[in-house]
Amino acid sequence: ILNVEQSPQSLHVQEGDSTNFTCSFPSSNFYALHWYRWETAKSPEALFVMTLNGDEKKKGRISATLNTKEGYSYLYIKGSQPEDSATYLCASYNSGGSNYKLTFGKGTLLTVNP
Amino acid sequence: DAGVIQSPRHEVTEMGQEVTLRCKPISGHDYLFWYRQTMMRGLELLIYFNNNVPIDDSGMPEDRFSAKMPNASFSTLKIQPSEPRDSAVYFCATKDRGGWMNTEAFFGQGTRLTVV
Repeated sequence: ILNVEQSPQSLHVQEGDSTNFTCSFPSSNFYALHWYRWETAKSPEALFVMTLNGDEKKKGRISATLNTKEGYSYLYIKGSQPEDSATYLCASYNSGGSNYKLTFGKGTLLTVNP
Repeated sequence: DAGVIQSPRHEVTEMGQEVTLRCKPISGHDYLFWYRQTMMRGLELLIYFNNNVPIDDSGMPEDRFSAKMPNASFSTLKIQPSEPRDSAVYFCATKDRGGWMNTEAFFGQGTRLTVV
């Protein structure tokens, strides 16, 4: 059973603050790391799909880095806004049989106070 | 495309009743996944289908749970009989035939199930 861990479980920041959180995943047989953003009462939506060690991806004020050797990824939000409030989920795809599974972490709940 | 459509959005039922959750995937997507979201365990994969065929149901908690995909446009997840511990948000997600290195999952809005 794969273990994908996210930290912190939740955090509160003030509008304008920059913040980051962590996803750790098994580095063995690693293929891909996904980040999803899940707003309350909406569908989780993909932010990034990352595969290569040292990958860095950016979408507006949100960026992510990937270290496949040590098995972690950071998600950064620059200048947080109230609309960034959501749960951020990461998911790892590691080979190991014929299963086609993404294994999700429990998420980091971000609340941005105006 | 309207995205992945799930129904109902909310379901409240009494213990022992049968519950059926429905999912309409994005047209052309070959893979369909049923997930369950709880505070304790996060997002867990229950079962997935490829081209309407169930591939891996090892995440289905017990025989009370069953899932079908009779055609490319429709899937159901059934719980019979339901129990209070089944209360959770159930998500359907689909993706196209590309690998996880190239494509992401598209989620429905979920069905919030409460069993009392």
